Amino acid sequence: QKEVEQNSGPLSVPEGAIASLNCTYSDRGSQSFFWYRQYSGKSPELIMSIYSNGDKEDGRFTAQLNKASQYVSLLIRDSQPSDSATYLCAEGDNTDKLIFGTGTRLQVFP
Amino acid sequence: DAGVTQSPTHLIKTRGQQVTLRCSPKSGHDTVSWYQQALGQGPQFIFQYYEEEERQRGNFPDRFSGHQFPNYSSELNVNALLLGDSALYLCASSSGGNSPLHFGNGTRLTVT
Repeated sequence: QKEVEQNSGPLSVPEGAIASLNCTYSDRGSQSFFWYRQYSGKSPELIMSIYSNGDKEDGRFTAQLNKASQYVSLLIRDSQPSDSATYLCAEGDNTDKLIFGTGTRLQVFP
Repeated sequence: DAGVTQSPTHLIKTRGQQVTLRCSPKSGHDTVSWYQQALGQGPQFIFQYYEEEERQRGNFPDRFSGHQFPNYSSELNVNALLLGDSALYLCASSSGGNSPLHFGNGTRLTVT
């Protein structure tokens, strides 16, 4: 049974700080990893996808993948109050099926 | 370019009733997946449709069934509703090959 684990939080960071969100997964064969942001009452919105070991940067967001240690992380630089949301980590196989973690709630305070 | 659209947005049903939820995928996408998200949980995979066939299924009972039409749109049917079926139902579309899923706005189902 594939599993994705995340700390449910909340993770509280001050405005302007770096928020670090972490996720571990159980299936060594997983090929793709995704971070989704979900505002309360809304649907998940894709932020980052990562397929290879190392870092991938997009604006204020950096995803990090370490397949040997089976973890994925998301760094948010210069955190803003509008970043306050639940961040879902997901792993995928090659059939477009995703396994999601329970999500980490991030709170950015002014 | 329209994204994934779902209808209705909200629905209230009584235990034992049946419900049908609808989804139109993003333009260019041929694969539709359905997820159930209970409060405080991550989305749970229900099933996936490709070429009008159920390609894979998660750990959900047979009360949950679906269909995909030639235009790639899809329906999720739930029979004999239980209180525990109350959740946000999410439709996601993709174009295959490890591509990211794009979610619709969801249907909030409340079973009383």
